[in-house]
Amino acid sequence: DGGITQSPKYLFRKEGQNVTLSCEQNLNHDAMYWYRQDPGQGLRLIYYSQIVNDFQKGDIAEGYSVSREKKESFPLTVTSAQKNPTAFYLCASSILGGYNSPLHFGNGTRLTVT
Amino acid sequence: EDQVTQSPEALRLQEGESSSLNCSYTVSGLRGLFWYRQDPGKGPEFLFTLYSAGEEKEKERLKATLTKKESFLHITAPKPEDSATYLCAALTGNQFYFGTGTSLTVIP
Repeated sequence: DGGITQSPKYLFRKEGQNVTLSCEQNLNHDAMYWYRQDPGQGLRLIYYSQIVNDFQKGDIAEGYSVSREKKESFPLTVTSAQKNPTAFYLCASSILGGYNSPLHFGNGTRLTVT
Repeated sequence: EDQVTQSPEALRLQEGESSSLNCSYTVSGLRGLFWYRQDPGKGPEFLFTLYSAGEEKEKERLKATLTKKESFLHITAPKPEDSATYLCAALTGNQFYFGTGTSLTVIP
């Protein structure tokens, strides 16, 4: 079955450590996205990529970094510069060039930083 | 400013009690209005896309409609398994704007 796989499901880190969240898709989608979800807030865009080796900052990119070396993979690194990293992180993908196609989401990674 | 507002924040229904969820949007150049269902601890699951005012889409007990300012998700005779958070998102340009969701609880 095609889909988006995020790992791990739960992640615990100490303050000051960088951490990388994995996102892999086998939908052959060109575009990939990272969102952050916090209670009482809508999904907020961190980074997105429309093509390999290219990505753009979203609304809340500070303290995060990404890479897109393969079409299938879009890992997100939460750096120690992110002031409030504890959140639910969602990876998504969509067909680029498709007619206003929807986002398809993974099942998220819950990151807790103490 | 582009934004999406959903109401109510939370809704409790008896099984079989029909109701509607609202998604109001103010975006320039709407390219599509999307509805998602999200279960606790999981990612949003795509339900519908609506492209133009007057359009309607149906799936089982759910029906989504769209006007020039808002979208409604009508739930007919809901069952406990319909309990979830329902999100809407407006696409303008290449940016999705998400609402904060409506948490629906259906009581047997």
